[in-house]
Amino acid sequence: KAGVTQTPRYLIKTRGQQVTLSCSPISGHRSVSWYQQTPGQGLQFLFEYFSETQRNKGNFPGRFSGRQFSNSRSEMNVSTLELGDSALYLCASSWRQGDYEQYFGPGTRLTVT
Amino acid sequence: AQTVTQSQPEMSVQEAETVTLSCTYDTSENNYYLFWYKQPPSRQMILVIRQEAYKQQNATENRFSVNFQKAAKSFSLKISDSQLGDTAMYFCAFMKPPDGGSQGNLIFGKGTKLSVKP
Repeated sequence: KAGVTQTPRYLIKTRGQQVTLSCSPISGHRSVSWYQQTPGQGLQFLFEYFSETQRNKGNFPGRFSGRQFSNSRSEMNVSTLELGDSALYLCASSWRQGDYEQYFGPGTRLTVT
Repeated sequence: AQTVTQSQPEMSVQEAETVTLSCTYDTSENNYYLFWYKQPPSRQMILVIRQEAYKQQNATENRFSVNFQKAAKSFSLKISDSQLGDTAMYFCAFMKPPDGGSQGNLIFGKGTKLSVKP
């Protein structure tokens, strides 16, 4: 079974631009969560989607948004990029609602210059 | 709010020896899950071991075992017969049980960088 895939793997953007990251969960998984990883703040939860609905949200500004499609693929968007948004963005999927084990993708490394 | 603390930023161990990574957490919940994740230099986060708070028996997965002390809110990871491939960042994580429409999110510690030396 293929794992969680994230595209692109690396991305360089300029301050003020916007960016969209994509995550394809493991086949059959319906829940997708996003995390931001930085050296200073560590791993922080961004949001969670299940059945195309945002179920849970972390403490991030409104510039961070996401969505989930009917095939469970998810995208996250960051608008008006700031230097502090430079991070590794990890996506994790779960088999079904109530299954607590999360499987992580390789991440997207975003650099904002 | 739940917090997870890993007090050892870096540790090293000789190949074939045993090492213990510490983790403490704070919560008012009675039911929850605890995890240890491994993130090698390739960055793929991998689940090492998990523990349900309602289970008194400590979880074990091959060379990996935990010492779960619920009253002390402590959850340490013991790696026996350390191997070079164990070199990685290790994260302790907490999660409340899934609730209604939410799967639940992981709350991570800052991590411990483990180096296994030949």
